[in-house]
Amino acid sequence: GAVVSQHPSRVICKSGTSVKIECRSLDFQATTMFWYRQFPKQSLMLMATSNEGSKATYEQGVEKDKFLINHASLTLSTLTVTSAHPEDSSFYICSALEGTNTEAFFGQGTRLTVV
Amino acid sequence: AQSVTQLDSQVPVFEEAPVELRCNYSSSVSVYLFWYVQYPNQGLQLLLKYLSGSTLVESINGFEAEFNKSQTSFHLRKPSVHISDTAEYFCAVSEGSGGYNKLIFGAGTRLAVHP
Repeated sequence: GAVVSQHPSRVICKSGTSVKIECRSLDFQATTMFWYRQFPKQSLMLMATSNEGSKATYEQGVEKDKFLINHASLTLSTLTVTSAHPEDSSFYICSALEGTNTEAFFGQGTRLTVV
Repeated sequence: AQSVTQLDSQVPVFEEAPVELRCNYSSSVSVYLFWYVQYPNQGLQLLLKYLSGSTLVESINGFEAEFNKSQTSFHLRKPSVHISDTAEYFCAVSEGSGGYNKLIFGAGTRLAVHP
């Protein structure tokens, strides 16, 4: 299957700082990327959908000014958590989709801890 | 609105025993159905999917799932589990209206295989 690489796998940051997470499709062009958040022992909750070159579509209740998503190229999307607080600590996972395929491929996830 | 219910949060089972992980969904339109597996601190890996055609789908590592439209179910089964099958399993649904639509995940089922 296609490979999606997410970086970093773990990050610890101080409260009030910003953190950027990268999601790359290594062997295909990702026209659409999805960002999910997963709390411990819970399911994945979709945060936003981004299409290359356009603004992301955020799910209800997700603060777009806090979770900045940039999908500037067909192989890279970034999620920036701005002014992070301890309650932003979570596991963030991206997935990437090529064209009209019926399967999106997931990254390995990023464990964010805000102290 | 779509929703996915995984009836069991945890399923303990002995090695080489059969297992069934239950998944029910609700949707007013035709759907695509997926099972994903997640190992600790990792992203999701697609196990198998139902898009159309045969209602019984199989994975390469011995899992199978059957789409039952009348019961709106997509239960996952394996006749003989291994220790290495210990993981979190997520059922997901997306509307099959052509191409890919965002996934709605169930809460997950933790499969624990004991020796």
